[in-house]
Amino acid sequence: DTEVTQTPKHLVMGMTNKKSLKCEQHMGHRAMYWYKQKAKKPPELMFVYSYEKLSINESVPSRFSPECPNSSLLNLHLHALQPEDSALYLCASSQQGAGTGTEAFFGQGTRLTVV
Amino acid sequence: GQNIDQPTEMTATEGAIVQINCTYQTSGFNGLFWYQQHAGEAPTFLSYNVLDGLEEKGRFSSFLSRSKGYSYLLLKELQMKDSASYLCAVRGNSNYQLIWGAGTKLIIKP
Repeated sequence: DTEVTQTPKHLVMGMTNKKSLKCEQHMGHRAMYWYKQKAKKPPELMFVYSYEKLSINESVPSRFSPECPNSSLLNLHLHALQPEDSALYLCASSQQGAGTGTEAFFGQGTRLTVV
Repeated sequence: GQNIDQPTEMTATEGAIVQINCTYQTSGFNGLFWYQQHAGEAPTFLSYNVLDGLEEKGRFSSFLSRSKGYSYLLLKELQMKDSASYLCAVRGNSNYQLIWGAGTKLIIKP
């Protein structure tokens, strides 16, 4: 199983809503990531979890709140988002460390629209 | 600063060969990745280079020269399904953070 599964695939939410994005992998990877990607731009790192602990937070606004309940699951809780937060949100996972075999596997993403 | 440069767009013909170049200036180097991304889809891993030289994987090959801060992705026997964006990414000093190029949109014509 080399899949990273994200749900939902599409999400439309109002600026006062609270929603969550979910991500799951069963490859035994201990590093999990959230990326944000705008059209025609490369992915932009938001958060990294390593061994279920938040390792990197790239100065992301607090309206985005990550959670890693266990080694296979990663959530991103959304609250009071702005229209400019509309983007493709990608989850990824990888083995720890550097070297061959540590490439990131991406989920299919959640296309988020904030209205 | 840290910088990765790739051409914005390239066009090639079905059945031909195309080379997509990537130059980088980063503080630290722990490998270079190539990803393919179709419009509206997630990036998929193509190749990884950490030592100088050529890595071949079927129709795709990737080359690295660390002294020149240069890599290329070579696609042979192009197919229409190869129309996509190709992203070059460098792992710098961190095991987790990748520095991404803006991507090269490859258009394949019949």
